[in-house]
Amino acid sequence: SQTIHQWPATLVQPVGSPLSLECTVEGTSNPNLYWYRQAAGRGLQLLFYSVGIGQISSEVPQNLSASRPQDRQFILSSKKLLLSDSGFYLCAWKPGAGYTDTQYFGPGTRLTVL
Amino acid sequence: TQLLEQSPQFLSIQEGENLTVYCNSSSVFSSLQWYRQEPGEGPVLLVTVVTGGEVKKLKRLTFQFGDARKDSSLHITAAQPGDTGLYLCAGERYGGSQGNLIFGKGTKLSVKP
Repeated sequence: SQTIHQWPATLVQPVGSPLSLECTVEGTSNPNLYWYRQAAGRGLQLLFYSVGIGQISSEVPQNLSASRPQDRQFILSSKKLLLSDSGFYLCAWKPGAGYTDTQYFGPGTRLTVL
Repeated sequence: TQLLEQSPQFLSIQEGENLTVYCNSSSVFSSLQWYRQEPGEGPVLLVTVVTGGEVKKLKRLTFQFGDARKDSSLHITAAQPGDTGLYLCAGERYGGSQGNLIFGKGTKLSVKP
């Protein structure tokens, strides 16, 4: 069975510091991978998605970047955090092959920028 | 413009009551998913509906996809405190790219014992 991991679970960082959030998927190959940010208790905003190693698409201009160095690894980064980067970050995966729209989510990372 | 409108945004009911949550759009979707999310956790998939008019049941939860594939509803019978959470609908539009889902803003349900 497939599993998705995110770490860290929680993070408190000062403004201007760098960021690295990691997401890994097990039990599948060549997944589509997604990074979302969720405002408190509300819907999800898609930040980045990737259909393969080194392939990153950005949905919104922002202070963040994403990378996919390995097939099942997706990293969200920032060189200098802003207060507005605080939020709940979710990684998700979807089978890359076959017709299904369903995405499966990781447990999330709560980021607080002070 | 919010492509998927969920209503109501908030719902507080007593244990044992029935409720319906709606997810509406003017766009056609190839499929639609319902998720439930608890505070501090990732959304968990409840169901995927793909055929217009489709009805799926998951214990006390009944999901329906509209005939025109533009809307969906979630009905909960005899709600329990364990049903408390944020219910999100999400869909992929026809012609959408890379399986990207559009999410509604969610319905926050609170079931009081």
